[in-house]
Amino acid sequence: GEDVEQSLFLSVREGDSSVINCTYTDSSSTYLYWYKQEPGAGLQLLTYIFSNMDMKQDQRLTVLLNKKDKHLSLRIADTQTGDSAIYFCAESGTGGSYIPTFGRGTSLIVHP
Amino acid sequence: DVKVTQSSRYLVKRTGEKVFLECVQDMDHENMFWYRQDPGLGLRLIYFSYDVKMKEKGDIPEGYSVSREKKERFSLILESASTNQTSMYLCASSLITTGITEAFFGQGTRLTVV
Repeated sequence: GEDVEQSLFLSVREGDSSVINCTYTDSSSTYLYWYKQEPGAGLQLLTYIFSNMDMKQDQRLTVLLNKKDKHLSLRIADTQTGDSAIYFCAESGTGGSYIPTFGRGTSLIVHP
Repeated sequence: DVKVTQSSRYLVKRTGEKVFLECVQDMDHENMFWYRQDPGLGLRLIYFSYDVKMKEKGDIPEGYSVSREKKERFSLILESASTNQTSMYLCASSLITTGITEAFFGQGTRLTVV
């Protein structure tokens, strides 16, 4: 079945880069997503990457996709205390019925 | 902006009570989902619905049922609440499409069963 794996915690200093990693098993995934959950809130889509891309950059965010190894990563440059949140990796397969499968989430803690 | 609204932020219920969690979305999305979120376990899918009156079991449907009588509203029902159903419940909605699809989430309902 489908499975998405992430490490549970990451701690960084303010101003450093953060790298959150994810592995997935569904090779038919058309899109892969990163969602952010701030304390006390629901999830919000942060960024996504199409499966035929290797990299996508959006301001401080860089998404890298290694399709051969089914490995996805999210790099946050110049991490700020406001980036402290839980980050979820998610995948979706092909077809018209979109049912996202989420990882367990990585808690990013940013120290001043 | 798409809005997904859950009826309560916090609920405290007694063991054995029947509990209703309500979710409404305002963007005419076909798909609606109910997840529960527990520390270390991430999001687990309870039920989803792709159309009015249609429902499909997710990964952990035991002890839950759902109702979708109108396209914009998806209700989660705990027939007889138990303490192991204490959790954060998240509702989400999305379009049915083969393209990029964003799931929009409500703010969550933290349910405590005592």
